[in-house]
Order: sequence, then structure tokens, then C-alpha cells
Amino acid sequence: GAVVSQHPSRVICKSGTSVKIECRSLDFQATTMFWYRQFPKQSLMLMATSNEGSKATYEQGVEKDKFLINHASLTLSTLTVTSAHPEDSSFYICSAQATGRQPQHFGDGTRLSIL
Amino acid sequence: RKEVEQDPGPFNVPEGATVAFNCTYSNSASQSFFWYRQDCRKEPKLLMSVYSSGNEDGRFTAQLNRASQYISLLIRDSKLSDSATYLCVVNPIQGAQKLVFGQGTRLTINP
Repeated sequence: GAVVSQHPSRVICKSGTSVKIECRSLDFQATTMFWYRQFPKQSLMLMATSNEGSKATYEQGVEKDKFLINHASLTLSTLTVTSAHPEDSSFYICSAQATGRQPQHFGDGTRLSIL
Repeated sequence: RKEVEQDPGPFNVPEGATVAFNCTYSNSASQSFFWYRQDCRKEPKLLMSVYSSGNEDGRFTAQLNRASQYISLLIRDSKLSDSATYLCVVNPIQGAQKLVFGQGTRLTINP
């Protein structure tokens, strides 16, 4: 089946640090990649949608200057949490989709803890 | 009102029991419907899509009622390995790829 790799799986860092998370589709080309965030005991919330070669579309309430998304190729998207603070601590999950009719395949998530 | 609502549970049932989950969605124009399974501290995994005519995959049966904007999942002969959180997921916009996740229903199967 389709495989999406996310790295790193766990990050612990100090407040003010910028953290980059990578999402790779290993065996298919992903036209679209999605970034989600999940706080404890809550549902996944879509943060942004990115299409290869174009700017990401952010959901309402998500700061684009804080959560920088780059989708430079059909197999790689990155999310950079800039100047992270404790309230940014969460489970960040990406998903990748080959075409609009295909299901989204999820990465195994990145657990971010900001001290 | 949330776009996708689920009873968060938890549901605790004995092994071998039949369990049913329900989900409602607010956008009547929603196009696609799914059930995902999420294990603790893991990513969600697609369990099955939900079709208007209802569909079955082994011990799992999904139903969709568009008139009532209601989706269900039935698990028969439950196994210990079915313990997980079940997420009701809706694509609310035709032609777009956005997925809206419910809060999830926590299920624990007891031996």
C-alpha cells in the first residue's frame, strides 16, 4: 500500500526554537499534501493544504507566518513551526494524496513538545 | 454545531460482542464519508469508505443515511485487536479534498 513517511517522530525543544517536520510519499507522487494537528483527546484539525509548486492554503485561525509550509516536489512537503512556544505542543500529522479521487495516506505523525 | 459529531464514548464491550457507532454531519452537501481507526498515539488509518448503498468489509458494516445526515459503523464478533478510537470523517466540499474529522469514539474490547 501507499507509504507516507514523517520525520522526526518526536521532538522536544526549548521555547523559541524553530522546528522542521518532513513528510515524504515513498512510493507515489503526491499532488497534494495536508498538515493536521491533534491536541490530546481532540479530533484532527486541518491546518493547511499544499499543492506541489504553489503556495499552501491555510485554514482559518492558522497563522501562515508561524507555520511555514513548503511543497517543493511531488514527494516532499515540510512544515516549519517558527519560534515554537509551549502552546504549539501537539501531534502533527501529514497526509498525502496522489489525485483528488484517491484516499489520503497518513504519515505516522510527529509529537512536538516545547518546554 | 460541530461539522462532524460523534459520541466520544468510551465504549467497553466484551470480546465477541457486536458494537455500533454513530456519527452525524452538518453539511448536507457533503460528498464522501469514511471511517478511520486511530490507535493510541498513532496516525489514523483508513478502515473503510461509506457508500450510500451501505457496504460491508468482513466484520465491519458501514451505513449512510443522507436524509438524516447520519453515518454508522457496526462491528460484529469484536476482537481484542479492535480496541482503538474510531473516527468518522467527511469530505464536505465537492471537488475539494478537505477532510473533516469527528472527535472519535473510543472502543475497548475486554477479554
